[in-house]
Amino acid sequence: KQEVTQIPAALSVPEGENLVLNCSFTDSAIYNLQWFRQDPGKGLTSLLLIQSSQREQTSGRLNASLDKSSGRSTLYIAASQPGDSATYLCAAPNQAGTALIFGKGTTLSVSS
Amino acid sequence: EPEVTQTPSHQVTQMGQEVILRCVPISNHLYFYWYRQILGQKVEFLVSFYNNEISEKSEIFDDQFSVERPDGSNFTLKIRSTKLEDSAMYFCATTPGSYGANEKLFFGSGTQLSVL
Repeated sequence: KQEVTQIPAALSVPEGENLVLNCSFTDSAIYNLQWFRQDPGKGLTSLLLIQSSQREQTSGRLNASLDKSSGRSTLYIAASQPGDSATYLCAAPNQAGTALIFGKGTTLSVSS
Repeated sequence: EPEVTQTPSHQVTQMGQEVILRCVPISNHLYFYWYRQILGQKVEFLVSFYNNEISEKSEIFDDQFSVERPDGSNFTLKIRSTKLEDSAMYFCATTPGSYGANEKLFFGSGTQLSVL
């Protein structure tokens, strides 16, 4: 059964810092992994979908990596801004590939 | 960018009452989902719907829950007799193709359900 864990649960950084959010998953037989952003009281926005064949995917200041063998993914945010403050969720497919299993998220606060 | 639309944004109901949560999926998307998030907890999968039938459901999705696509555009989640523990944010989500969770997932902004 797929389980997804994210550390840290919360992170506070000053503006301009580079940071890394971590995600681990138990079932490594996945085709991809997704990272989402959630603002308070709002829905989820897909940031990056990284295929198992890619190892890395980039969008602007965001870079996600995937290492299936170790069951880990990281989301790197470069030059953080106050507007990056949100909860970042990692999600991996279940065994059947029919649903996403989410981690609890990392709540990021970037101060100006 | 196309959006998944959910109504209402907030719903307050008494325990034991029936509620229907509504979603308008992105046009031409094929796979539909309901997820929920209890305050402070993980986003949890409830049910997936493809080709006009349930594709998969979780342990949470018991006989009190049902889904349907009544008119070819709306996608609804019905809770027959609400319990206090059903209080949560309910999200509708869709994917464009038939690959389910292996595609980019588009979420609606959610319906906050409060059961009193």
